[in-house]
Amino acid sequence: RKEVEQDPGPFNVPEGATVAFNCTYSNSASQSFFWYRQDCRKEPKLLMSVYSSGNEDGRFTAQLNRASQYISLLIRDSKLSDSATYLCAAFRTGNNRKLIWGLGTSLAVNP
Amino acid sequence: NAGVTQTPKFRVLKTGQSMTLLCAQDMNHEYMYWYRQDPGMGLRLIHYSVGEGTTAKGEVPDGYNVSRLKKQNFLLGLESAAPSQTSVYFCASSYLGQYNEQFFGPGTRLTVL
Repeated sequence: RKEVEQDPGPFNVPEGATVAFNCTYSNSASQSFFWYRQDCRKEPKLLMSVYSSGNEDGRFTAQLNRASQYISLLIRDSKLSDSATYLCAAFRTGNNRKLIWGLGTSLAVNP
Repeated sequence: NAGVTQTPKFRVLKTGQSMTLLCAQDMNHEYMYWYRQDPGMGLRLIHYSVGEGTTAKGEVPDGYNVSRLKKQNFLLGLESAAPSQTSVYFCASSYLGQYNEQFFGPGTRLTVL
């Protein structure tokens, strides 16, 4: 089992829909979490950081559930431009500190 | 500010050839990273640097070498390219460690024949 797991999708949603992705992590030593957005054949770009229970930025909300060890990303009022792959990353603390990347969830927003 | 830049953008090598990928950042970041991204494998850290003159191995360092002679530059070398090194290579930098936001360069698409 991978340390950070994401549903690869693809998620196909109509414009205006609300869509949510989950990212599960297996190491309870993970303390900081990130959602990056990656467009096709482009570099990842940070969408949101989550250091406590959650974060909100406009149409995007990230929530952290430490008890169940997952972090979610909610996108409201989806736009065509939201079509991308969303990468989850968890920073593991302790003796072997490192950032663990998920494989990404693909989202296609359709007109 | 240009952010993080990478050269070249594309390269085709023959097996056994060598090359150097250059990464430059103008954000005065201490930390720099080299990743490779392959379908089904995600982003994997090759090497990283916590400051000028320092380098460290990531999770897939074999076949690669790096140098950080200047704070703003991080070079990735392939001494004898192999087809298994066909990939997209991303450089990234961050102000603090891996728990901080990473800024990525546009990537280098490398094909080894």
